[in-house]
Amino acid sequence: GENVEQHPSTLSVQEGDSAVIKCTYSDSASNYFPWYKQELGKRPQLIIDIRSNVGEKKDQRIAVTLNKTAKHFSLHITETQPEDSAVYFCAANGGGGSYIPTFGRGTSLIVHP
Amino acid sequence: SAVISQKPSRDICQRGTSLTIQCQVDSQVTMMFWYRQQPGQSLTLIATANQGSEATYESGFVIDKFPISRPNLTFSTLTVSNMSPEDSSIYLCSVDLTGTYEQYFGPGTRLTVT
Repeated sequence: GENVEQHPSTLSVQEGDSAVIKCTYSDSASNYFPWYKQELGKRPQLIIDIRSNVGEKKDQRIAVTLNKTAKHFSLHITETQPEDSAVYFCAANGGGGSYIPTFGRGTSLIVHP
Repeated sequence: SAVISQKPSRDICQRGTSLTIQCQVDSQVTMMFWYRQQPGQSLTLIATANQGSEATYESGFVIDKFPISRPNLTFSTLTVSNMSPEDSSIYLCSVDLTGTYEQYFGPGTRLTVT
């Protein structure tokens, strides 16, 4: 089955800096890669996703890049703000037509004002 | 998007009892999922619940412990049976709204078993 590794587990940045979270996956058939943001005590929220026919996708201050050859994808947050502090989860699915995502272990992002 | 609600939002239960968690969506969806999230951990899929068919359980989860109902396209329940303190966790439902892999989560049910 699919295996998703996520790094780092904790990321501490100063407000205004950029943050990058990286994930690797094992199933070359996976074709959908979402990112979820989970604030403390809240539900995971889909913030951006990318499909395997696209290399990069941007939405304001966040962007996701995908390298299918290397089987890794990354979340980039620019001009970080304290409200970006949360746990971020990457996931991969779609391999073999599966609708079930495999989640990474999560990255706790702390943005210091 | 859709409005997804869960009941109860939290509960404290005694060991050996059962709790049924409800998940309601304001639009019809084919696929619903139930997850468990232990404190500080990632999301673990318990089962997939599609209307009109038996739930499909992931490795390590069994129907006797986590029976699921899916009576229609907007509603599902997950029961946590014969609870022990190890069942203390957050239980989340999610839906795939459009059949395009995008999952949206309910607010979760925080369960504490004493």
